[in-house]
Amino acid sequence: AQKITQTQPGMFVQEKEAVTLDCTYDTSDPSYGLFWYKQPSSGEMIFLIYQGSYDQQNATEGRYSLNFQKARKSANLVISASQLGDSAMYFCAMREAQAGTALIFGKGTTLSVSS
Amino acid sequence: GAVVSQHPSWVICKSGTSVKIECRSLDFQATTMFWYRQFPKQSLMLMATSNEGSKATYEQGVEKDKFLINHASLTLSTLTVTSAHPEDSSFYICSASIRDLLNSPLHFGNGTRLTVT
Repeated sequence: AQKITQTQPGMFVQEKEAVTLDCTYDTSDPSYGLFWYKQPSSGEMIFLIYQGSYDQQNATEGRYSLNFQKARKSANLVISASQLGDSAMYFCAMREAQAGTALIFGKGTTLSVSS
Repeated sequence: GAVVSQHPSWVICKSGTSVKIECRSLDFQATTMFWYRQFPKQSLMLMATSNEGSKATYEQGVEKDKFLINHASLTLSTLTVTSAHPEDSSFYICSASIRDLLNSPLHFGNGTRLTVT
């Protein structure tokens, strides 16, 4: 079974609008961490934001925020005020405390921002 | 901080030859490094966990004799693709954490694009 599910292969948004990228996860470990990464066409992986399973508040980092709904096992990334430079592939990833320190990635969502 | 350097960025080799990819943590020590493989427009698939001073742990389905991993020091891990074939053509990317903590993100190298002709 997939541990990380990203159901949107592609998303399109206009500049300055907000966009939500979906991510659901599956784990029986009570201690886990959720990460979002951005991968531009150059291939580098850029860390955006982190949410821990015990965190009470949704994580925020600049224009990025995470809509964490623990009961639903979802961790959606919200990008506010989209910019052309946000066009990239976005990956949701999880680390389970009991599974060691590797990250397991979802299939990704390609975001295209137009002017 | 937290810079991971990967070399080479791209390599083209002939079928049957071996290719070595280096991954270095430039400003921190990494007891553990991770090697991922990515096909075009697909996810990153964990290949193996590289542990300094000990044998790598390979994921199911990854041939350990084909993908040799050596973690000789706290700042260097290498992946050698032995007897490469066209189906080994892919994007290989290494990563490491500054700390082995749940909330510590992985920092990635810029990846190596391998083409086997």
